[in-house]
Amino acid sequence: GAVVSQHPSWVICKSGTSVKIECRSLDFQATTMFWYRQFPKQSLMLMATSNEGSKATYEQGVEKDKFLINHASLTLSTLTVTSAHPEDSSFYICSAPSSLSGNTIYFGEGSWLTVV
Amino acid sequence: AQSVTQPDIHITVSEGASLELRCNYSYGATPYLFWYVQSPGQGLQLLLKYFSGDTLVQGIKGFEAEFKRSQSSFNLRKPSVHWSDAAEYFCAVSNSGNTPLVFGKGTRLSVIA
Repeated sequence: GAVVSQHPSWVICKSGTSVKIECRSLDFQATTMFWYRQFPKQSLMLMATSNEGSKATYEQGVEKDKFLINHASLTLSTLTVTSAHPEDSSFYICSAPSSLSGNTIYFGEGSWLTVV
Repeated sequence: AQSVTQPDIHITVSEGASLELRCNYSYGATPYLFWYVQSPGQGLQLLLKYFSGDTLVQGIKGFEAEFKRSQSSFNLRKPSVHWSDAAEYFCAVSNSGNTPLVFGKGTRLSVIA
């Protein structure tokens, strides 16, 4: 079946540095991918919609310059957290709809970011 | 705008007992409805989904859910809970198969012996 893979699963970075998280659709093409953030013991909140070949659409309150999203190919979207701060520590998870499975949305395994 | 309400933050059931997790949604048209399970520190696993057709949906791990349009509900059920079912359960809604999901706040399930 369709699989969405995220990398890295865990990352620790220093305050002020940037970190990139990759989201790949392994056996289907994804023109759209969705990025969510989940704080501990909370629900998933949509951050942005990544569109292949065009700019991402950000949800209200999400800083575009801080959370850079690039969707350069039909199988890869990246989220870069720039100038990370401890409050950016969270679980980031991506998802992509697959037309192979009746437009079922598949989720990646998620990426834990800890900023120290 | 779509919204999802999971009224129960935390539920504790005995192993072998039946389970029902509540989910109510707000959406004007026929929604796409999902239930996901998340174990601590893990990603999401899809339990079942409803797009159309039979309103009683069977999922994995013995779970089922029933779509009730009149009540705007999509409650998740399992006849006999196993200890391994302890996890966080999220109900979600979207307006199509390729739009982002809106999640409820989740219900944490604890299973006791």
